[in-house]
Parts: sequence; C-alpha cells; structure tokens
Amino acid sequence: AAGVIQSPRHLIKEKRETATLKCYPIPRHDTVYWYQQGPGQDPQFLISFYEKMQSDKGSIPDRFSAQQFSDYHSELNMSSLELGDSALYFCASSLSHAGNEQFFGPGTRLTVL
Amino acid sequence: GQQLNQSPQSMFIQEGEDVSMNCTSSSIFNTWLWYKQDPGEGPVLLIALYKAGELTSNGRLTAQFGITRKDSFLNISASIPSDVGIYFCAGRGSYGETSGSRLTFGEGTQLTVNP
Repeated sequence: AAGVIQSPRHLIKEKRETATLKCYPIPRHDTVYWYQQGPGQDPQFLISFYEKMQSDKGSIPDRFSAQQFSDYHSELNMSSLELGDSALYFCASSLSHAGNEQFFGPGTRLTVL
Repeated sequence: GQQLNQSPQSMFIQEGEDVSMNCTSSSIFNTWLWYKQDPGEGPVLLIALYKAGELTSNGRLTAQFGITRKDSFLNISASIPSDVGIYFCAGRGSYGETSGSRLTFGEGTQLTVNP
C-alpha cells in the first residue's frame, strides 16, 4: 500500500539559511500534519492542513510557514535556520472522515551547522 | 497544554516474555493510538482506540482505552526480537471531531528484547 512520501530524507543547512520540506500524503488523504522530533524526544505537533486550509496550529516558530496545495501535498518552509532546528521532521496524513488515524512518513532529518 | 505520562521509560526483557506499558493524562482524550518507532524512521501505527473501555487486539498486541478516557495501556505477549523499538502512546484530544486535530504523544517506552 502507498505510504506518505517525504523529501528530502536528509538535509544539511547552515545557520540562517532556508529549507523546504515536502510531503506527499497517502492517496485520497486530504489532511496533512507536520511534527518535529528532537533527539530522544517525542514528536511535537507543528501545524496541520485540511482541504488546503490551516486547521490546527501548534508550537511552530514564526520563522516557519507551511501550506497545502491543490493536489494535497504540503510544504514546510523554514527560514533563518538555527542550530536548535536540527531534528527529524515528520509529515502524517489522514482521511478527513477518519482523521483519528494518522499515518506517518519516514521523516526528513534536518541538520543545521 | 495536555500532557501524557508514559511508563516505563525503558524495559529490558527476555524473548518470550510479556510486556505492558501505559499512558496517563491529566485531560480527557477522544482517541488513543499506539505507535512503534524504529531509529531514524517514522512512527508506525499499531492500534487505534475510539471508545472508553474499548479493548482491541492486533496479533500479539492488545490495547485498552481507559474508562475515564484519561489512560490507556498496551500489552505485548510472547515478545520476539523484532519487537525492539520505541513505543509511543498518542492522544487526540477534545478539539472536536473535525479533521486536523493534533496528536499529543507520550514520552515513549524503549523496549529491548534479549534473545
């Protein structure tokens, strides 16, 4: 079965640079979620989109923005990167009518040097 | 905000043993989920629970949604080496039933299975 696709899988950036992470949800899923997981931590919710509209917002820095496109894929844009932004970034997707079950992608490992 | 307390933090068991882990919350959740995560990979959904008191099995895994809606447990029977990993509970809270509701995760239980 098709799963959530994230790209790139690994990303290395310098401080103050920008990064764009992409997420392609499971086919027919219309809701995407972004989570950040630091080393040894549990995933922390950043933001979610349903039908291309922001539906929930967590502890996402103002330096980050995200959007969902007409094909339901989503992009997380991160600017003025800081060392502390180094983490695993996961995208998850769900069907709107069964939104309880969120399926996670393999993640993007961002390293900020 | 909502917080989930997951215990134990780590477990070291012998192959074939049963294991149990649980999560408690200060707030009510509408849904409890259990995920397993391998190093550097995304969490994989194991079991989803939707109703207070619900008991659900998935192979050797059994999970229950606490009657107070503030807790859940996961049992793994007859553990095998491939059960090694980090197990997370996650709650979907009372934000309404519309899609887009965040998951709040527990701190995770690191399971080690000795052959």
